[in-house]
Amino acid sequence: NAGVTQTPKFQVLKTGQSMTLQCAQDMNHNSMYWYRQDPGMGLRLIYYSASEGTTDKGEVPNGYNVSRLNKREFSLRLESAAPSQTSVYFCASSENKGTSGQPQHFGDGTRLSIL
Amino acid sequence: AQSVTQPDIHITVSEGASLELRCNYSYGATPYLFWYVQSPGQGLQLLLKYFSGDTLVQGIKGFEAEFKRSQSSFNLRKPSVHWSDAAEYFCAVHASGGSYIPTFGRGTSLIVHP
Repeated sequence: NAGVTQTPKFQVLKTGQSMTLQCAQDMNHNSMYWYRQDPGMGLRLIYYSASEGTTDKGEVPNGYNVSRLNKREFSLRLESAAPSQTSVYFCASSENKGTSGQPQHFGDGTRLSIL
Repeated sequence: AQSVTQPDIHITVSEGASLELRCNYSYGATPYLFWYVQSPGQGLQLLLKYFSGDTLVQGIKGFEAEFKRSQSSFNLRKPSVHWSDAAEYFCAVHASGGSYIPTFGRGTSLIVHP
């Protein structure tokens, strides 16, 4: 099984450009998440989707939008990239059926640099 | 709201030595607790989890963790560290009341000397 697949793995953008980070999971999980990881900051939740058809803001949503395209796919869009969005982005999924506490499965990340 | 503290930003051990990584949480009820490991250039991988029952849980790669309610701790241990254990380790807590959002600690970087 591939698990959680993120594309692209690396990307360099210029300030003001837009791009979409793609994420797909093949585990039939209900919930999906986008995090950013910065040195010394740990993981910060950007957006999440508890189930297909729903999305909610996390801790740091400004400058981002998301789309839960179907149960498998959850994309993250930067409409106008800023240098402060230089980071490593992780997508994760988990099986949550009315109960909390299920572990998350992570992709290998997208390393994004904004010049 | 729950919170997680990993007091050590970096830990350095010699190969073959024992390891303990600390994790303290704040939550009003019994939480669900997790340890994840992140190798360089990769995503997080689940090492072990505690939901209920036996307070000593075994995980992959020879790791174990002990839940101590009185100390609000969930420390990760390994009796003999291998060079391949060098990585970033994250403790996480889920509220047991239906939240799908875990809270992560800021991580502890493990350095292994030969």
